[in-house]
Amino acid sequence: KQEVTQIPAALSVPEGENLVLNCSFTDSAIYNLQWFRQDPGKGLTSLLLIQSSQREQTSGRLNASLDKSSGRSTLYIAASQPGDSATYLCAVAGANNLFFGTGTRLTVIP
Amino acid sequence: DVKVTQSSRYLVKRTGEKVFLECVQDMDHENMFWYRQDPGLGLRLIYFSYDVKMKEKGDIPEGYSVSREKKERFSLILESASTNQTSMYLCASSLVAGSTDTQYFGPGTRLTVL
Repeated sequence: KQEVTQIPAALSVPEGENLVLNCSFTDSAIYNLQWFRQDPGKGLTSLLLIQSSQREQTSGRLNASLDKSSGRSTLYIAASQPGDSATYLCAVAGANNLFFGTGTRLTVIP
Repeated sequence: DVKVTQSSRYLVKRTGEKVFLECVQDMDHENMFWYRQDPGLGLRLIYFSYDVKMKEKGDIPEGYSVSREKKERFSLILESASTNQTSMYLCASSLVAGSTDTQYFGPGTRLTVL
């Protein structure tokens, strides 16, 4: 069964820093990988989706990469802002199921 | 914008009660999903549906059932609520069959079973 791991579980950075969040998965036979943001007590918001044939996707200050062979993805956030504070979840898509990591809780300090 | 709504943000029920959680999406999506989210365990799939009256078990279906009588509505049913079903429940939908499409999530229902 697919297992998804996100390290670290929590991260604090000063405003303006660039940062990288990590996601690893055990089974490289995936359809895509998705990054989500979750604010406290709220649902998930989709940030980026990388198809299995792609290496990266960009949206604004966010860039996600995918290395299927090594079972890794990274989410790069440029010039972090206090509004970026949230929990970031990665999810790996199988045929009918998304397998989620437990998330990285990011705090951007003004 | 896709909108997924859930009937309650917070719910408190007693052990043994029958509990209904409702989810509605307004974008004519084929797929709908129910997850629960627990600290340290992440999101786990309970059930999903890829068409009206169709349902498939996810990873943790025990103690739950679902109903999809209309395309836009997907209900999660706890036949006899237990304390270990205290959790955050999240509904999601996606346009096409399978899990290869972006999923859109509702705001969640925090259920407490006493």
